[in-house]
Amino acid sequence: NAGVTQTPKFQVLKTGQSMTLQCAQDMNHEYMSWYRQDPGMGLRLIHYSVGAGITDQGEVPNGYNVSRSTTEDFPLRLLSAAPSQTSVYFCASSRQGQGTEAFFGQGTRLTVV
Amino acid sequence: AQSVAQPEDQVNVAEGNPLTVKCTYSVSGNPYLFWYVQYPNRGLQFLLKYITGDNLVKGSYGFEAEFNKSQTSFHLKKPSALVSDSALYFCAVRDGGTDKLIFGTGTRLQVFP
Repeated sequence: NAGVTQTPKFQVLKTGQSMTLQCAQDMNHEYMSWYRQDPGMGLRLIHYSVGAGITDQGEVPNGYNVSRSTTEDFPLRLLSAAPSQTSVYFCASSRQGQGTEAFFGQGTRLTVV
Repeated sequence: AQSVAQPEDQVNVAEGNPLTVKCTYSVSGNPYLFWYVQYPNRGLQFLLKYITGDNLVKGSYGFEAEFNKSQTSFHLKKPSALVSDSALYFCAVRDGGTDKLIFGTGTRLQVFP
């Protein structure tokens, strides 16, 4: 089982460039989410989705867009990269429900110069 | 709003000694609590969860956690620490209304030989 797959693993962007971080899961999970991890701040929720066609904002959504056209894929778009978006990004998926654990991808380390 | 707090940035323990990583929570309604571990340059891995029932929850790699409703705590424990347990540990809670998984800031566990 592949689980949750994120690509790319590393990326360097120039300020103002756009890019899409890819996330795919093969577990037929309804719930998917994107987090960013910064030192001393833990994981902060950017956007999440409870199913195809449904997305909502998390704690730090500014500067990011998402869409969920299929159950499997949940891409994260940076429209105009800023140095403040330098971070490690994690995608996660889970079944619907409060008692379900989430499965995480390996992360994308993004540097904006 | 649901939240968790991890009061210690770092915990140091000698190999073979018991370890405790602390977590307190604030929720409205029933708590659904999780512990995750992150090894260097890896994604997060699920360790254990509390949904209901026994206050002592057993998980992966010999870890367990004690749920204490009166103290609103969910501390992670292990009777005998290993050097390989050195990692970053996150406590998390599920939001009942949205299923969002909300993380603490993390505690770095360092086990010395």
